Amino acid sequence: EAQVTQNPRYLITVTGKKLTVTCSQNMNHEYMSWYRQDPGLGLRQIYYSMNVEVTDKGDVPEGYKVSRKEKRNFPLILESPSPNQTSLYFCASSPLARWAYNEQFFGPGTRLTVL
Amino acid sequence: AQSVTQLGSHVSVSEGALVLLRCNYSSSVPPYLFWYVQYPNQGLQLLLKYTSAATLVKGINGFEAEFKKSETSFHLTKPSAHMRDAAEYFCAVSEEPSQGGSEKLVFGKGTKLTVNP
Repeated sequence: EAQVTQNPRYLITVTGKKLTVTCSQNMNHEYMSWYRQDPGLGLRQIYYSMNVEVTDKGDVPEGYKVSRKEKRNFPLILESPSPNQTSLYFCASSPLARWAYNEQFFGPGTRLTVL
Repeated sequence: AQSVTQLGSHVSVSEGALVLLRCNYSSSVPPYLFWYVQYPNQGLQLLLKYTSAATLVKGINGFEAEFKKSETSFHLTKPSAHMRDAAEYFCAVSEEPSQGGSEKLVFGKGTKLTVNP
């Protein structure tokens, strides 16, 4: 089944404790992206990647890191989480092809709470 | 840069009534437009998309949207609401990179739809 998977789905942690949220897609998509969703703010892009070893900042990159060592994986790293990073996080992927019209496929989300 | 405005953060309708969720966009090149739905405690699912073919786009679950260039709008409608339509709906815009646009997907802030029995 074609899908985007994220782990963990739920995470409660404390301020300053490094964490990684994994994202993997099995559709051979070039484009991958991380979003955070907060009430009343919609989805805001954190980082994105056009292909392996190519990453760039989105609208709210502060406090986050990413890497793209393999095409299928795009982990999100919080080196020193703070309470304002409590949010619902989504990973998404898309084929960079004209026929795809930039449609993105989303993972199930990771609910992160930072105490 | 492209942008999206969704009018009304909350919309409430009665079961069987018309659903109308409003979306206006801004784009420097012909856009691609999407509606996504998020059911409680779930991820985002594509409802429908406009890609410059037909201006009236039909999606899943009886939803449709009409692209109106003169009004820069892409409103989502459904003739008769069901209880299962209660969810949050997001409008999003992207652009054709070969025309100088950005492939980035920009979302509106969402509209939460409540369906009353």
